[in-house]
Amino acid sequence: SQQGEEDPQALSIQEGENATMNCSYKTSINNLQWYRQNSGRGLVHLILIRSNEREKHSGRLRVTLDTSKKSSSLLITASRAADTASYFCATVRTGANSKLTFGKGITLSVRP
Amino acid sequence: DTGVSQDPRHKITKRGQNVTFRCDPISEHNRLYWYRQTLGQGPEFLTYFQNEAQLEKSRLLSDRFSAERPKGSFSTLEIQRTEQGDSAMYLCASSLVYGATSYNEQFFGPGTRLTVL
Repeated sequence: SQQGEEDPQALSIQEGENATMNCSYKTSINNLQWYRQNSGRGLVHLILIRSNEREKHSGRLRVTLDTSKKSSSLLITASRAADTASYFCATVRTGANSKLTFGKGITLSVRP
Repeated sequence: DTGVSQDPRHKITKRGQNVTFRCDPISEHNRLYWYRQTLGQGPEFLTYFQNEAQLEKSRLLSDRFSAERPKGSFSTLEIQRTEQGDSAMYLCASSLVYGATSYNEQFFGPGTRLTVL
């Protein structure tokens, strides 16, 4: 079963704008990861944040984690048309030994 | 290309037939995972291996499904007596894990898209 719920389900923005995507989950986690999937292809790992971390940066990506609210956000700054893809949050539950549980994903469209 | 590879990329079969998919992980990776993804959904975990040992299987993996990783390198996923509900993208991923750590990114292959007619 799906662990997380991403919000919004779809997002359309202009190139250069920032994109914020949210993820909520249900159980205690060890870590949370964000992945990107281009149409019909495999997933690409973007960033991992541990349960004892609150914020992490990687290039134009910023991820926050609030374990008290069981939620995370992914911010993509200065978006580009190439960022158009589906984005998934995935959690590793406490004791789950690295198995990923994915949400349904967010479809991001960046208009040139 | 040293990434995860999957073969075939597409498979069309008739209901009741058996199909087998192959996954070649990144060579030094000791963990290999299988996921299934249906349209509009996120991937769902099926099973994973640590070297050649199959350590966990999802309830989604019915008796018609079997996975192997005989030498701790490539893996195969077989579906017997396919049903239309088996139509999905089957994704393989691998990772390198030390000890009991769960802090690992998984590297995904391009997937095998199965269509059962």
